[in-house]
Parts: sequence; C-alpha cells; structure tokens
Amino acid sequence: GNSVTQMEGPVTLSEEAFLTINCTYTATGYPSLFWYVQYPGEGLQLLLKATKADDKGSNKGFEATYRKETTSFHLEKGSVQVSDSAVYFCALPYGGATNKLIFGTGTLLAVQP
Amino acid sequence: DAGVIQSPRHEVTEMGQEVTLRCKPISGHDYLFWYRQTMMRGLELLIYFNNNVPIDDSGMPEDRFSAKMPNASFSTLKIQPSEPRDSAVYFCASGPGARGTEAFFGQGTRLTVV
Repeated sequence: GNSVTQMEGPVTLSEEAFLTINCTYTATGYPSLFWYVQYPGEGLQLLLKATKADDKGSNKGFEATYRKETTSFHLEKGSVQVSDSAVYFCALPYGGATNKLIFGTGTLLAVQP
Repeated sequence: DAGVIQSPRHEVTEMGQEVTLRCKPISGHDYLFWYRQTMMRGLELLIYFNNNVPIDDSGMPEDRFSAKMPNASFSTLKIQPSEPRDSAVYFCASGPGARGTEAFFGQGTRLTVV
C-alpha cells in the first residue's frame, strides 16, 4: 500500500535561513501529494499540494515539486520566519477515497530570531 | 463556511466515564474522517464515512470506541469506558472526495483521562 517517509526533526533554524524538509513516498500510480502544517494548539491546515508529476505547489513562500523519478516531494522555503515555527506533515492518499490520507511522522520546525 | 467544527475543544474526564466527541463537517463534503494524534503514534486514522455510511473502522483501537454519523452534518466519536491511554488529541476532517482535493481538519478535541 501507499506509504510516506518524512525527515525526522526537530529542525532548528535561525530567521532567514533556508529550509528543506525531505519527504519520499511509495504509491501505486500517481497520487496527489500534500503538505500540511500544524501550528501550536491548532488543527492541521493545508499548506500546499501537487496533483501530478512535475507540478510545483507553493504557498506563503513554501514550495514543493512532485518528483516522480525520485518519488519525492521535499518542502523548501528560502527564508524562514519565526512565525513559520510549527509541525509540518507530508501526506498522500491511502488509495480509494482520495481524501483518506496517510501522514508522515511530522517534522517540528523551530525558528529562532 | 465556518470550516469543520469540533466540540468540546478540551475534555477532562475520569477513567471509566463515557466520553462523546462531536463533529460538524463542511457542508457538501461526502467524506468524514476521525483521526487520533499522540506523541508516540503520530496521526492515526480511526474510521471514515462516505455519505454517512461507515466504510472502514479498522483503525478503531478497541470495542470501547464507536462512531456514528446520523446525518450529513453531524458525527460523534464515543469512548465507553474511557482509560488513561485514550488521552490524545482527536481530529475530525471532511473532504469532497474528488481527486486532487484535500481534507479539511477541525481544531481538534484534547482529551485527558485521569
């Protein structure tokens, strides 16, 4: 079945540093891929998504490219801010119901001023 | 739309008591999901519904857990009797089901069983 492997954290960066959080997946076919973000004390919210190979999802300065050849969907941001401190989850559908998601373990990002 | 609404936000209960968590999905969404989040196990899918019908409850940990969706705008997750190891954050999510669409999450219910 489908699965996702996510870079473990925590990741601690200084403000304005470059961020990469790795995510690789195993799937049948070419599912949509998602990054969700969870701010302290809140639920998960969609950060960005890509629905087919070579698509680039982007939002709030974050980007991720759907790489079929490497089965990856790494999250990047060129200059992080303190307000980006959160837990980031890579996700893809289990299969069948497309909103039924399997999540990575989550990566805690802490950005220091 | 107000998004997925869960209640209560926080629940503290004594071991052995019945706990009921509530969820109102986004109007028009055909799918509803219940997840549990813990430090040890991360995010686990407990059960999901399609058009109010339970499709897969294989993630429900024990018979003490049950979920219902009596109509398109309401779902409950019940734990009876509750145990300290049930302490977690429980999330409800809903989605339209079409390919490429995402699931929308509620704010969660933080359950503490003492």
